[in-house]
Amino acid sequence: DAGVTQSPTHLIKTRGQQVTLRCSPKSGHDTVSWYQQALGQGPQFIFQYYEEEERQRGNFPDRFSGHQFPNYSSELNVNALLLGDSALYLCASSLTYGRGPNYGYTFGSGTRLTVV
Amino acid sequence: DAKTTQPTSMDCAEGRAANLPCNHSTISGNEYVYWYRQIHSQGPQYIIHGLKNNETNEMASLIITEDRKSSTLILPHATLRDTAVYYCIVRPDNYGQNFVFGPGTRLSVLP
Repeated sequence: DAGVTQSPTHLIKTRGQQVTLRCSPKSGHDTVSWYQQALGQGPQFIFQYYEEEERQRGNFPDRFSGHQFPNYSSELNVNALLLGDSALYLCASSLTYGRGPNYGYTFGSGTRLTVV
Repeated sequence: DAKTTQPTSMDCAEGRAANLPCNHSTISGNEYVYWYRQIHSQGPQYIIHGLKNNETNEMASLIITEDRKSSTLILPHATLRDTAVYYCIVRPDNYGQNFVFGPGTRLSVLP
């Protein structure tokens, strides 16, 4: 059973460019959350998608946007890249939004984005 | 902000038990205590979670104090592969609620 798959694993972009990161959730999961992890820090919540809609959002600017497709996969888009956007971007999938405790919240291995 | 406090780093001898403490003095009645760990360059991995009773699985044991204001994660026989950053997180019992990570505890298992 495949876990959470993220692509690409590494990416180098130039300041001002736009980037798209992709995530395929674990089989049976339908909610996708995105996190940003700067070097030496814990992951920070960006947003969560369920039923193709953004359900929750952390303290991130509008340059960060996302999308969820009918097959539950998701994309994270970042526009006008800044040097400070360099980080590990993690995708996590989980079971249906709104029900009991979910120890099935599963993280992918992340995409390492470097902005130069 | 994270609702937990953990030591920045800890060392443990290989084969010995690793006891990782976590303080969550402001925990609410509907919040569970979760533990995840992150091995270098990988995504966080679920270890265990609990509400108020002690829990044990194949990876670890979780001891929660009676007042629920603190907990301890126990790795009974630490190996070199247990070297990682360990995160203690409190979270409501709602699938929709995101995880708020602090800086965690960097555990080094020494040979």
